Amino acid sequence: DTGVSQNPRHKITKRGQNVTFRCDPISEHNRLYWYRQTLGQGPEFLTYFQNEAQLEKSRLLSDRFSAERPKGSFSTLEIQRTEQGDSAMYLCASSTYAGGAETQYFGPGTRLLVL
Amino acid sequence: AQSVAQPEDQVNVAEGNPLTVKCTYSVSGNPYLFWYVQYPNRGLQFLLKYITGDNLVKGSYGFEAEFNKSQTSFHLKKPSALVSDSALYFCAVRDPVAGGYQKVTFGIGTKLQVIP
Repeated sequence: DTGVSQNPRHKITKRGQNVTFRCDPISEHNRLYWYRQTLGQGPEFLTYFQNEAQLEKSRLLSDRFSAERPKGSFSTLEIQRTEQGDSAMYLCASSTYAGGAETQYFGPGTRLLVL
Repeated sequence: AQSVAQPEDQVNVAEGNPLTVKCTYSVSGNPYLFWYVQYPNRGLQFLLKYITGDNLVKGSYGFEAEFNKSQTSFHLKKPSALVSDSALYFCAVRDPVAGGYQKVTFGIGTKLQVIP
């Protein structure tokens, strides 16, 4: 299966700890997106990369959050000094450029629980 | 600003009956519209999208959706529901006229329950 993969699938951490998630997009996709999904809600946009450039960040992405895509392939999302409110499913998606009509393909997500 | 509404938290339908999951949208221009499905503890799977052209869009697993510009709706339909269709369905919109990164906005989801 050459779809989007995310690791780890589950993460339990204590408040105040740092966590890092990884996303491997579909290999030919140059666009990569991070979303956060909480219970009973749809995915909320966090940030977007085109190749290695981070082109957009949501206001949801506080200064405790940082994302990178150093070589334009895989991406990492780090949360520093986690808070209980960070508990959510973190979804990664990728796409190729299609004039705005591109389909985003999602990974299985990383479920974070902050105790 | 673009937005999408899914007015029903849950839709129940008997197996074999037709199903409809409703979605309405708001954008400043002509929208790009998407439907995704999410199974428990999984990511979202793409079902179909409307970009332009024929108002009736056919997608995966026998699903289709009808774009209605006058009603600003994009309802998801299937002629005969299967128990395996039970899942969470998300409608999403992108405004191609907006400048900068064309963010996709998702609805809050509708839980479809197909009863055997």
